[in-house]
Order: sequence, then C-alpha cells, then structure tokens
Amino acid sequence: GQNIDQPTEMTATEGAIVQINCTYQTSGFNGLFWYQQHAGEAPTFLSYNVLDGLEEKGRFSSFLSRSKGYSYLLLKELQMKDSASYLCAALDSNYQLIWGAGTKLIIKP
Amino acid sequence: GAVVSQHPSWVICKSGTSVKIECRSLDFQATTMFWYRQFPKQSLMLMATSNEGSKATYEQGVEKDKFLINHASLTLSTLTVTSAHPEDSSFYICSAPGTSGPHEQYFGPGTRLTVT
Repeated sequence: GQNIDQPTEMTATEGAIVQINCTYQTSGFNGLFWYQQHAGEAPTFLSYNVLDGLEEKGRFSSFLSRSKGYSYLLLKELQMKDSASYLCAALDSNYQLIWGAGTKLIIKP
Repeated sequence: GAVVSQHPSWVICKSGTSVKIECRSLDFQATTMFWYRQFPKQSLMLMATSNEGSKATYEQGVEKDKFLINHASLTLSTLTVTSAHPEDSSFYICSAPGTSGPHEQYFGPGTRLTVT
C-alpha cells in the first residue's frame, strides 16, 4: 500500500533550527511536496523535490533521497509565525498526491 | 501566481439539508480539480477528482450520491453535500493543477462546514 510517515508533533525554540522528517512508500514516484498549514487555513506550498539532493529557499530547505524513500524539511532561524502543521505529500505514478498526517510544529520563545 | 477561490468560506447548516460549495480558478482554466476533506488534527483526504465535461472520479469509501460533484466549466467545480449529517462537519478544500506540470497545485482557501 501507499504510506507517508512523519512525526505527529515537534517543539523547537525561536531562533533555532528544526528538521522534520518524512518517509514514503508509493506506487511510483513523481516528486515530493512540503506544505505549511496554519489552523483553519488551506495548505500553502513550500517546496517540491523530484531529484535527490537539497533545495534551499530562504530559511526553508528540503532534502530528498529517492533510494531511501526519505525527505526532510529544514527550518532555520525559527520565528513564532512558523508555528503550524507541515504536511509531506508524495506524487505517485498516477500523479495523485498521497498525504502524510502532518507534523504540528510548536515554537516556544 | 494562479488563484483558486472557494465559496462560502464557512457555512452552518441543519442536519438533513444540502450545502453547495463552489471552487473557482480565477485566472487560469482547470480541466481537473481535486476535492479534499480534512478533519481536525488530520491530514487531507482526497474525496474525488472533478473532470470538466465528464463524471467525477470518487475515492474508495466516498459516497458519490451523497457528495455530488459538477464541473460544468473550465473555471468552476461544485461539491454538494446532500442530506448533511453532523459527521460531515469538516474542512473542505479544493485544488487545481497549474499549467506547468503535475507538480504545480493551487489550493483554495477551504470551506468550513458545520452541520448542527
């Protein structure tokens, strides 16, 4: 079956760095997304990786290893506004998004 | 970038009534739109894929007679929750793929449905 695993909740301190991991098992693979979702709002796009390696975009970076079925989202210089859920989603062979349950990130001052 | 709107943003209805949710692509055409449901503290669950000019494709376990989908134009898809029950209370989100490829997805702001 198809499956996405990510931690349910993480806590970090303002100004610090946090890494949110995601492992996936899908029927075929056409890329991996990370989305940010604040409570009561729709997800907003953060990153898309289809090739192995690290993609950096400002304070946020995303890494992919296709051979390991593994990705992580790295958030640097954490700000209080980064408190949100972070959703990992993989695009399968039918170009359908398979979603993880999301990681709730709590930022403490 | 491309924008997808949803209307209404929130709705409260009585049990047994029907509710229609609209999803519009404002500055691009979408032959396909996706409808998701999200319960509190859970991830998005794909309900169905809406196809312009043809029948929607429903995911396993989603009742097509209860969740009616119509994709009448290239910019509008509607989801009607018929005979709503309290367990249908959820956050409904639509998305549409962009023109650059399947990796491009634009989400609507979501509709919060509460059935009393």
